[in-house]
Amino acid sequence: SQELEQSPQSLIVQEGKNLTINCTSSKTLYGLYWYKQKYGEGLIFLMMLQKGGEEKSHEKITAKLDEKKQQSSLHITASQPSHAGIYLCGAYIRGGSEKLVFGKGTKLTVNP
Amino acid sequence: SQTIHQWPATLVQPVGSPLSLECTVEGTSNPNLYWYRQAAGRGLQLLFYSVGIGQISSEVPQNLSASRPQDRQFILSSKKLLLSDSGFYLCAWSDDSGLTLHFGNGTRLTVT
Repeated sequence: SQELEQSPQSLIVQEGKNLTINCTSSKTLYGLYWYKQKYGEGLIFLMMLQKGGEEKSHEKITAKLDEKKQQSSLHITASQPSHAGIYLCGAYIRGGSEKLVFGKGTKLTVNP
Repeated sequence: SQTIHQWPATLVQPVGSPLSLECTVEGTSNPNLYWYRQAAGRGLQLLFYSVGIGQISSEVPQNLSASRPQDRQFILSSKKLLLSDSGFYLCAWSDDSGLTLHFGNGTRLTVT
């Protein structure tokens, strides 16, 4: 079974709109990672969250880890075509595998 | 600074043929090394990881094997490819803390 669920699976937005991508686990997350991938390329590290309630920002992208540490959200403000790609969350989940597991990804399309 | 190289970028191989994908890391020593496969609808799946030369852990039973002949070299192999081996293969490294993974650009393998 998938240990990390991402929603939505795909998202199409108009340039300038805000959007949110969610990553949910049924188990406590230890170290939640957000990566971005352009089609056919490797993953680019965006940010890492470890503490419940932690929030980090990079340019117009903000990620939060909820207090219970079982969900993270990635929010993009005023989206641009350069934000398009696949966003993946990855996490170490205690009580399961100690390796970094990933969600299936959210494909983001930003129309100009 | 550290860099990771993966090649080839794309590969088309017939069923039953052998496979060798190579990954090397520069600018660090004794990295943890990983092979992931990304298949449509299945997300990113950890195949192998290595914490040192000659030390390989397999995450899923399959038609593939991995080797680490040198500290910063990680090779993914198969003696006889299957159609189901098609996918996008990603190599990654992390430091001793094993937290943040850094990915290569990937190899798109098509088995025909």
